[in-house]
Amino acid sequence: GIQVEQSPPDLILQEGANSTLRCNFSDSVNNLQWFHQNPWGQLINLFYIPSGTKQNGRLSATTVATERYSLLYISSSQTTDSGVYFCAVERRGGGNKLTFGTGTQLKVEL
Amino acid sequence: DGGITQSPKYLFRKEGQNVTLSCEQNLNHDAMYWYRQDPGQGLRLIYYSQIVNDFQKGDIAEGYSVSREKKESFPLTVTSAQKNPTAFYLCASSTRGQVAFFGQGTRLTVV
Repeated sequence: GIQVEQSPPDLILQEGANSTLRCNFSDSVNNLQWFHQNPWGQLINLFYIPSGTKQNGRLSATTVATERYSLLYISSSQTTDSGVYFCAVERRGGGNKLTFGTGTQLKVEL
Repeated sequence: DGGITQSPKYLFRKEGQNVTLSCEQNLNHDAMYWYRQDPGQGLRLIYYSQIVNDFQKGDIAEGYSVSREKKESFPLTVTSAQKNPTAFYLCASSTRGQVAFFGQGTRLTVV
């Protein structure tokens, strides 16, 4: 099956700092999504981004499908950004099957 | 409001018991999924269904069973064959090419 690796595994930031999270995948994909899991376990979709660049407020994401990676940018981080960030992909030709990466645990401190 | 509802939020199972976790969606999504998450870990796919009356095993299907009799519903049964069922279970739905939405999860504990 497709392999999805995220880095870094853990990240601690001071409030106001910027960060970049990375997602590498081992095969061609036709679906890539970024999720944020809050401390209560709820997963919220941040971006649907199989290719190109999107921005939503302080967050933006870029996927370079030909090079099999995606980046999530968080600017001016806030304590509410804390949680786990997951990348999930659907392999091209793999049906509606989303495979999740290992996640990046982010903690934003005052 | 459209969304995915999982119930119960917390569930306790005795050794040797089967338990069923409920997942209902009113988003008119074709595909539904069940994931398992262990503490500090990522999500692992248990089962998924792309259409009614059809489902496929994911990466960790042993000890679990599902049904998809209605488009809106995708219940998961954790059987006594699952030797380590204590985990956080998440249900999701999507339509091809669209965003996946998750329920709030069920925390299952063996007592």
